[in-house]
Amino acid sequence: DIQMTQSPSSLSASVGDRVTITCRASRSVSTYLNWYQQKGGKAPNLLIYGASSLESGVPSRFSGSGSGTEFTLTINSLQPEDFATYYCQQSYSTPLITFGGGTKVELK
Amino acid sequence: EVHLLESGGGLVQPGGSLRLSCTASGFTFSNYAMAWIRQVPGKGLEWVSAIGGGVTDNPGTYYADSVKGRFTISRDNSETTVFLQMNTLRAEDTALYYCAKTAGENFNGFGERLDYWGQGTLVTVSS
Repeated sequence: DIQMTQSPSSLSASVGDRVTITCRASRSVSTYLNWYQQKGGKAPNLLIYGASSLESGVPSRFSGSGSGTEFTLTINSLQPEDFATYYCQQSYSTPLITFGGGTKVELK
Repeated sequence: EVHLLESGGGLVQPGGSLRLSCTASGFTFSNYAMAWIRQVPGKGLEWVSAIGGGVTDNPGTYYADSVKGRFTISRDNSETTVFLQMNTLRAEDTALYYCAKTAGENFNGFGERLDYWGQGTLVTVSS
């Protein structure tokens, strides 16, 4: 199985900050990498697919980049509603998709 | 508007069975693969199972190693519902189970993404 490792596991930030989350794959997943946001007690919400494509309706302050084994999710100008946990997910070894362990973004 | 509603969760003893249902609306259900993902409260996400869509009487079915041989996924396109039959349940199956729609018809190619999720149904396996 392809293992996905996110870093950091948590971070503290302020409204208006630029936040970067990293996801590393145990082997290349090309650009078959998706990002999800999960707010407390709610279902995950797709943000980014194909490493860098913004899902419809997702604010443009979210962006994704990377290929191969290293990927980043960037949130420009963090907003109050962005405090949540973020997960990456590889879709290279479908059907055996795997998720990263999550990164919790908290208010500093 | 896409809507997914899970049901069927509850408390069950180890070795017992449960059948989860997920009723969908707001899209052409038969055209899309569907998946189940679980999450232990406070922990991360784990893909459990998926079933292909399309015009076929025998859609592809896929399982995580942790549930293979114990769980069975199926779908009823006429009822726009996907099911997860869970047998021989273990304590480690305790989790919130989410149903999710995929963006494609199959679940065996590159680039699958889960574009809509239900709110989940809680399964607790305990004596």
